[in-house]
Amino acid sequence: GENVEQHPSTLSVQEGDSAVIKCTYSDSASNYFPWYKQELGKGPQLIIDIRSNVGEKKDQRIAVTLNKTAKHFSLHITETQPEDSAVYFCAAPTDSWGKLQFGAGTQVVVTP
Amino acid sequence: NAGVTQTPKFQVLKTGQSMTLQCAQDMNHNSMYWYRQDPGMGLRLIYYSASEGTTDKGEVPNGYNVSRLNKREFSLRLESAAPSQTSVYFCASRRTGTGLYNSPLHFGNGTRLTVT
Repeated sequence: GENVEQHPSTLSVQEGDSAVIKCTYSDSASNYFPWYKQELGKGPQLIIDIRSNVGEKKDQRIAVTLNKTAKHFSLHITETQPEDSAVYFCAAPTDSWGKLQFGAGTQVVVTP
Repeated sequence: NAGVTQTPKFQVLKTGQSMTLQCAQDMNHNSMYWYRQDPGMGLRLIYYSASEGTTDKGEVPNGYNVSRLNKREFSLRLESAAPSQTSVYFCASRRTGTGLYNSPLHFGNGTRLTVT
């Protein structure tokens, strides 16, 4: 089955700086990589995803890059703001039905 | 549109007690899931229901049972709670079907369970 490793476990950044979270996966057949954001007291919510036929996808201040050869993908947040403080999870599918294996999560703290 | 609703929000149990966590979605989704979240371990799948009338084990099913009551509702039962089941439990749902392999999961806001 799929194994997803996520680093770092915590990330503290100054407001306005960039944040990068990296994930590696084990199954070379995986073709879909979502990122979820979890705010305090809430459930995770999808913020961006990427399919294996593209190398990068952007949505305003967030972007995801994928390196299929190295089997890793990364979340990039530019111009961080206090509302970006949250736990971020990467994930990869474990089967053909789309069940997901999640990384351990990254606690991002944006300090003013 | 409420999305995914979980009850209760908080619960404290003594070892050996039983309880059922309730989950309902109003998005007409076929598939529903139960995850547990523990520090440093991410979200681990307990059980899932690909469609009404079916349930399957996930990564960590021991000590739990589920019931897919109808298309809207998917409950998680702890028959004899143990301290190791102290966790935050999330229910999720998603659309599935032809061409919907990558549809997003929609999560509820969780149930925080403490077993003493």
